[in-house]
Amino acid sequence: KQEVTQIPAALSVPEGENLVLNCSFTDSAIYNLQWFRQDPGKGLTSLLLIQSSQREQTSGRLNASLDKSSGRSTLYIAASQPGDSATYLCAVETSGSRLTFGEGTQLTVNP
Amino acid sequence: EADIYQTPRYLVIGTGKKITLECSQTMGHDKMYWYQQDPGMELHLIHYSYGVNSTEKGDLSSESTVSRIRTEHFPLTLESARPSHTSQYLCASSDAGRYYGYTFGSGTRLTVV
Repeated sequence: KQEVTQIPAALSVPEGENLVLNCSFTDSAIYNLQWFRQDPGKGLTSLLLIQSSQREQTSGRLNASLDKSSGRSTLYIAASQPGDSATYLCAVETSGSRLTFGEGTQLTVNP
Repeated sequence: EADIYQTPRYLVIGTGKKITLECSQTMGHDKMYWYQQDPGMELHLIHYSYGVNSTEKGDLSSESTVSRIRTEHFPLTLESARPSHTSQYLCASSDAGRYYGYTFGSGTRLTVV
């Protein structure tokens, strides 16, 4: 059974800092990995999607990497801003079109 | 701009009432999903559909039911709401080719009193 772990569970940083969120998964037979952002009480907003054949994706200040063989992904956020404060979720898609989520990293960026 | 729409956004309802949570998407996706999420907790898959007239139960047992009569519409129904059903319900869809990942709606926050 696929298990997804995110470290750290919570992170508080000053504005402007670069930061890295980590995601690991136990079964490397994935189709893709997706990073989401969730604001309190809201739905999920897709940030980046990495197909299993890809190693990284970039969007603005965000960069996500994927090492499928070791079961790891990182989300790099450059020059963090207070508006980046949210919970960040990592999810992998496996056979049967099933998404398995990590428990998330709660990020607070302080002005 | 959201391509997947959930209504209502918030719902407070009495015990024993029948409710339907609506979910519609305009992307032509074949695959649609319902997740349940308690505050600060993980998402749990409760129902999914791979196309019209296809519905399956997910990983978390749920007393709700779903239907898929049209590609764009995937409503979730609770025949008799109970306080234990209080939660946030998130609808999602994905393309068959897995090129674009999953798109989520804004969610329905249900409170049963």
